[in-house]
Amino acid sequence: EVQLLESGGGLVQPGGSLRLSCAASGFSFSSSSMSWVRQTPGKGLEWVSSITGSGDNTYYADSVKGRFTISRDNSKNTLYVQMNSLRAEDTAIYYCAKLTSNWGQGTLVTVSS
Amino acid sequence: DIQMTQSPSSLSASVGDRVTITCRASQGISNFLAWFQQKPGKAPKSLIYGASSLQSGVPSKFSGSGSGTDFTLTINNLQPEDSATYFCQHYQTYPFSFGPGTKVDIK
Repeated sequence: EVQLLESGGGLVQPGGSLRLSCAASGFSFSSSSMSWVRQTPGKGLEWVSSITGSGDNTYYADSVKGRFTISRDNSKNTLYVQMNSLRAEDTAIYYCAKLTSNWGQGTLVTVSS
Repeated sequence: DIQMTQSPSSLSASVGDRVTITCRASQGISNFLAWFQQKPGKAPKSLIYGASSLQSGVPSKFSGSGSGTDFTLTINNLQPEDSATYFCQHYQTYPFSFGPGTKVDIK
């Protein structure tokens, strides 16, 4: 069974940093491109970032480019996103996803003073 | 960047009805289109990928069609458990994007 379990969310002040993690199991993690998607409470879905299976290629939404960094550790079957210079508009539920197939349950990030 | 639109934004239908949701891409995306179902407080669940391929474990009452810019998701024999918001998403090229969603209610 595929499982994706996010962690690391919480309350952070504007300008602060946070690192989210996603522990994956039940599939060939190193062969799979992975993504982060966020959803503002009551709003729609926004693709944030993706990374290829090898980690050689990364992609970002313009809204987070230069502030967020996606990475992965295939030896630990874990996906990460380092989020710096956080803004109020980054407040959302962040999902780890093997896009088009499996999603985690999400972790809430709140950026507020 | 490719923009995704959906119609209608919401609908209400009766148990047993057939429901059709439309998704349109601002430019051609071949069949790089996925559909998701999301219930309140839950993560999105994948229903369809490749515009028409049913995700493993998803009931055959769900079907997808289309190619290029126009796509549809059809739900046959609507049941109370199908009450949810449905999103389309393209993955033809980065940046990926989602449609705004269609909320399906049961009358």
